[in-house]
Amino acid sequence: DAKTTQPPSMDCAEGRAANLPCNHSTISGNEYVYWYRQIHSQGPQYIIHGLKNNETNEMASLIITEDRKSSTLILPHATLRDTAVYYCIVRVRDRGSTLGRLYFGRGTQLTVWP
Amino acid sequence: SAVISQKPSRDICQRGTSLTIQCQVDSQVTMMFWYRQQPGQSLTLIATANQGSEATYESGFVIDKFPISRPNLTFSTLTVSNMSPEDSSIYLCSVVPIDTQYFGPGTRLTVL
Repeated sequence: DAKTTQPPSMDCAEGRAANLPCNHSTISGNEYVYWYRQIHSQGPQYIIHGLKNNETNEMASLIITEDRKSSTLILPHATLRDTAVYYCIVRVRDRGSTLGRLYFGRGTQLTVWP
Repeated sequence: SAVISQKPSRDICQRGTSLTIQCQVDSQVTMMFWYRQQPGQSLTLIATANQGSEATYESGFVIDKFPISRPNLTFSTLTVSNMSPEDSSIYLCSVVPIDTQYFGPGTRLTVL
């Protein structure tokens, strides 16, 4: 699976949009971009994923550049409860034996302040 | 999606003892995994729990230390055997119902 690079930390004011970048310059054509977050001492929470089109759900939006070498996770109105470590992961989306092997890097510690 | 529960949520154990962690899923899933997260570190895959057969372990993890059971498609257990303080971690169960991976809340283990 392709490696990703994320800033170690970011902060954001409550109510403002949080934009979390991720570089994945070695991504392959069949690899998806997944985002998870981990609130302190809890299990990782799935947020969103995409291949090449921008995606939006009730939690966030995912913007993937045209060359797919980077992406941005957007939390449109950050709240204090969004304070967490956010992980960007790229991997092939299939049902093979590698499916469970999500390799988490260090992620970005997002701190939302009042 | 999938709703995953783990028991216990946390425990404090003495060195040399063993602890069995349970993972229950609200639906039948083929693929179930166990992860470890040591303090301040990222997640590391321990093994894939296969229903009806032995678990498949990642490099650095062995069955004698981390025996796994998977009696059916909604349940699995991970045992941490002969514990030492280095086993203090959060242990996480994870499933893939279709093509997205979901994680349980974790079991925080402290070994004294």
